[in-house]
Amino acid sequence: KNQVEQSPQSLIILEGKNCTLQCNYTVSPFSNLRWYKQDTGRGPVSLTIMTFSENTKSNGRYTATLDADTKQSSLHITASQLSDSASYICVVATDSWGKFQFGAGTQVVVTP
Amino acid sequence: GAGVSQSPRYKVAKRGQDVALRCDPISGHVSLFWYQQALGQGPEFLTYFQNEAQLDKSGLPSDRFFAERPEGSVSTLKIQRTQQEDSAVYLCASSLVGGRLTHYEQYFGPGTRLTVT
Repeated sequence: KNQVEQSPQSLIILEGKNCTLQCNYTVSPFSNLRWYKQDTGRGPVSLTIMTFSENTKSNGRYTATLDADTKQSSLHITASQLSDSASYICVVATDSWGKFQFGAGTQVVVTP
Repeated sequence: GAGVSQSPRYKVAKRGQDVALRCDPISGHVSLFWYQQALGQGPEFLTYFQNEAQLDKSGLPSDRFFAERPEGSVSTLKIQRTQQEDSAVYLCASSLVGGRLTHYEQYFGPGTRLTVT
């Protein structure tokens, strides 16, 4: 069973609108949580990295939140652009030899 | 180079053939990871190197999969006697530092798409 669950699986939004993606995890012990953006045919690119003590982190129009107590994270995209169309992957790291647990991703399509 | 590169970008193999996938990490990066990504899924961990040492190979799905990084830079993932279930994108990632702590940034290559027919 995947220890990182993302929702929704996919979503379509109009250009300029906001959206929020969810990530729930059961990975333990917890070290940090990352959000990646993966364009079609490309490798994932890091958006944010948050440790246990961080509740929110922003990267431009992307804002990630983390609730380590409930083991939930969200990624909020503000004023979406066509270039935001991609898969967004939630990744949880443990204090192990660089081992990461990846979610299946949320496929976001931004339409004009 | 400026980023992680992988070759070939696409590989078609007939079932039973052996394949070798190459990863050139960012120069000076200590850690190197291989991941397998099935269509519509997130990447799954295969193996991890710190310099030339393979510290974790628990994700390799069978003994047909073998990875090496003999000089601590370029890495090769070899799959013997390929099967249809091996069809996936194989991603390589590198990071500057190593060790048990995982707060460092990982940089991914574009991946190699392997199709086994």
